[in-house]
Amino acid sequence: DAGVTQSPTHLIKTRGQHVTLRCSPISGHKSVSWYQQVLGQGPQFIFQYYEKEERGRGNFPDRFSARQFPNYSSELNVNALLLGDSALYLCASSITTGVRTEAFFGQGTRLTVV
Amino acid sequence: DAKTTQPPSMDCAEGRAANLPCNHSTISGNEYVYWYRQIHSQGPQYIIHGLKNNETNEMASLIITEDRKSSTLILPHATLRDTAVYYCIVRVRGSSNTGKLIFGQGTTLQVKP
Repeated sequence: DAGVTQSPTHLIKTRGQHVTLRCSPISGHKSVSWYQQVLGQGPQFIFQYYEKEERGRGNFPDRFSARQFPNYSSELNVNALLLGDSALYLCASSITTGVRTEAFFGQGTRLTVV
Repeated sequence: DAKTTQPPSMDCAEGRAANLPCNHSTISGNEYVYWYRQIHSQGPQYIIHGLKNNETNEMASLIITEDRKSSTLILPHATLRDTAVYYCIVRVRGSSNTGKLIFGQGTTLQVKP
């Protein structure tokens, strides 16, 4: 079974540019979440989408946006890139069974802003 | 902010049990304890979760105290491949019932030969 897939795996951008990161969830998972992980820290929650609607947003500026498509895949967009946006961006898809939720992460996209 | 507290680092001898503690004194009655681990430069990997009973799977065991204010993840026979950062997470339930994960700093487990 295919896990959560993210593309690209690595990316180098210049300050001020914008970037689009992509995520395909596990088949049957309707929820996708995005996380930013700066070197040496734990992942920080950015967005959660469920059934194409935003269901949660972390403490990130409006330069960060996301959307979910009818096939439940998702895109994370970051505008006006700053050096501090350099990080590993993780996508997680999750499924809820009863009251339990299990989330599975992709390998991430390593974004370097120069 | 994370609702959990973990020691920043631990060492374990290969083949011995690794016991990773976690404090979550403000956990709510309907919140689960989740454990993930992250091997260098990879995405976090789900290990195990529990509500109030002890849980065991092929990877690990989870012991939750009766008052649910702390838990311990047990890797029964640690190998070098278990070297990773281990995160203890209390899952916050979102309106869609899927919730977000709030990561702390985790515990860096170093398994030594």
